[in-house]
Amino acid sequence: GAVVSQHPSWVICKSGTSVKIECRSLDFQATTMFWYRQFPKQSLMLMATSNEGSKATYEQGVEKDKFLINHASLTLSTLTVTSAHPEDSSFYICSATRGALAGGYTFGSGTRLTVV
Amino acid sequence: RKEVEQDPGPFNVPEGATVAFNCTYSNSASQSFFWYRQDCRKEPKLLMSVYSSGNEDGRFTAQLNRASQYISLLIRDSKLSDSATYLCAVSPGGGADGLTFGKGTHLIIQP
Repeated sequence: GAVVSQHPSWVICKSGTSVKIECRSLDFQATTMFWYRQFPKQSLMLMATSNEGSKATYEQGVEKDKFLINHASLTLSTLTVTSAHPEDSSFYICSATRGALAGGYTFGSGTRLTVV
Repeated sequence: RKEVEQDPGPFNVPEGATVAFNCTYSNSASQSFFWYRQDCRKEPKLLMSVYSSGNEDGRFTAQLNRASQYISLLIRDSKLSDSATYLCAVSPGGGADGLTFGKGTHLIIQP
């Protein structure tokens, strides 16, 4: 079955530093990857949609200069949280799909970010 | 109005009982519907897609009511291992669009 690997699983960083999270589709080519964020006791909120080789599309209220997304290949997308602050502490999860016709979303295992 | 709404619960249900929960969605253009299960501090795992005709997978049955814009999940003969948060998710498309999730319904199966 489709497998998506995400790492790191957890990271603790100091306020003001940047953190990069990687999302890899291991056994399929992901046309589209999605990044979600989940705060405690809240729903997963879509942050952005990235297609290989093009700029990511950000949801309303998500700062594109703060959350940098790179989708350089069909198997790798990265999310960089720049100048992280404590309010950015959250559970970040990626998801990959093979496209509209294939349907189905495969989720990574998530990254728990704590900014101190 | 929130796009996807669920009763957060918790639903405390004795083992072996049948439990059902609903999820309503506001976007009438939604085309894809899913139920996910999320365990504490883990990623969501697909439980089942929801089709217009309704579908069943073992003890789980999902229904879609487009006219009233809600989907439902029924769990029969509940097991202790069914304790989790159940997330409803909808999408306007079939894979090119991201999912809109509800906050989830917390289910606790009691021995």
